[in-house]
Amino acid sequence: AQTVTQSQPEMSVQEAETVTLSCTYDTSENNYYLFWYKQPPSRQMILVIRQEAYKQQNATENRFSVNFQKAAKSFSLKISDSQLGDTAMYFCASNNAGNMLTFGGGTRLMVKP
Amino acid sequence: EAQVTQNPRYLITVTGKKLTVTCSQNMNHEYMSWYRQDPGLGLRQIYYSMNVEVTDKGDVPEGYKVSRKEKRNFPLILESPSPNQTSLYFCASSSPFGQGAEAFFGQGTRLTVV
Repeated sequence: AQTVTQSQPEMSVQEAETVTLSCTYDTSENNYYLFWYKQPPSRQMILVIRQEAYKQQNATENRFSVNFQKAAKSFSLKISDSQLGDTAMYFCASNNAGNMLTFGGGTRLMVKP
Repeated sequence: EAQVTQNPRYLITVTGKKLTVTCSQNMNHEYMSWYRQDPGLGLRQIYYSMNVEVTDKGDVPEGYKVSRKEKRNFPLILESPSPNQTSLYFCASSSPFGQGAEAFFGQGTRLTVV
């Protein structure tokens, strides 16, 4: 069974600054993927970034990047140059070759002007 | 436009009154699933389907039913809703997860059972 833990229920950051959201996971699978999803107040779930466990290079998507530490089973999300539109719930998730997408409890991020 | 459509978006019902939440996708995805979202617990999978007529239980299947008679549709049925099923529900579809496919989510259904 997989578990995903987000230890920060809430965080805040000033506009234009950088913030890092933490995520740890536990899996017995050898091949798996990790994801960060964003849920703004509209409730829509939006994929932010994904990482394949076999790739050592950390994924990057514009202002969003991850720090993937496979041995430590850690998958943190860094948001650079935070914008007001980044205010949202952020969910870390993992999956394997099966059909289960396992989510963490979420981190509510507030970007302050 | 590629999308997953859920209906209704909001629903208030009484205990024991059967209800169905519909879900439809237009991306020809094999995989479809239902999640419930509760504060502090994230999203938990209720049921999933790998293809037509193939369904299986997720983490929290008790009190729910699903069916997959057509590839595009995957309704969620609550035969006798109870207050502990008050939650935010999401339908999702994707290509096989084993390839790292992105899950596409519907707009969510806020269900309140009184």
